[in-house]
Amino acid sequence: NAGVTQTPKFQVLKTGQSMTLQCAQDMNHEYMSWYRQDPGMGLRLIHYSVGAGITDQGEVPNGYNVSRSTTEDFPLRLLSAAPSQTSVYFCASSADRGQETQYFGPGTRLLVL
Amino acid sequence: GQNIDQPTEMTATEGAIVQINCTYQTSGFNGLFWYQQHAGEAPTFLSYNVLDGLEEKGRFSSFLSRSKGYSYLLLKELQMKDSASYLCAVSVPDSGNTPLVFGKGTRLSVIA
Repeated sequence: NAGVTQTPKFQVLKTGQSMTLQCAQDMNHEYMSWYRQDPGMGLRLIHYSVGAGITDQGEVPNGYNVSRSTTEDFPLRLLSAAPSQTSVYFCASSADRGQETQYFGPGTRLLVL
Repeated sequence: GQNIDQPTEMTATEGAIVQINCTYQTSGFNGLFWYQQHAGEAPTFLSYNVLDGLEEKGRFSSFLSRSKGYSYLLLKELQMKDSASYLCAVSVPDSGNTPLVFGKGTRLSVIA
């Protein structure tokens, strides 16, 4: 099993550009989520999905879109990048929404200039 | 709102024992997780407590008191590779957009 994979590992964007962060898991997990991690802020939930076709907003959803067309994939789209979106982004999956261990991808380091 | 508190930084000596505390105030409780995160890497699961008491797993143990909203992670026989951030996270039922609330993490430095 590859677990949770994320691409790209690093990305530099200019303000206003759009891009998609890819996330895939091969553990047949129903629950997937996207977090951002900033110094001194901890992990904050952006969006999550409890299954294919179902997505919902987390704590900090503004400026991001998600979709879940398959169980395996959960891409995160930045619509118009802003410097405030400079962060490390982690995708995670688990068998259940809250009571199961979350498995994290390796992260994407994003710099918005 | 949901709130989790952990010390920001701790330093301990190789071979010693260190205790990292976590206190929480949440609207509900389904369980508490501890994750380890080395610099530049993803968090990895360490332990899960849902009932009061101590869970031991090798050099690492985790304790929970639900009535006090308190947990700690105990690391014994510290090794240099234990230098990392330790994240406390609480699973909150019916919490809408915050099903798993993370603390800001405790950065542990192990020195020789």
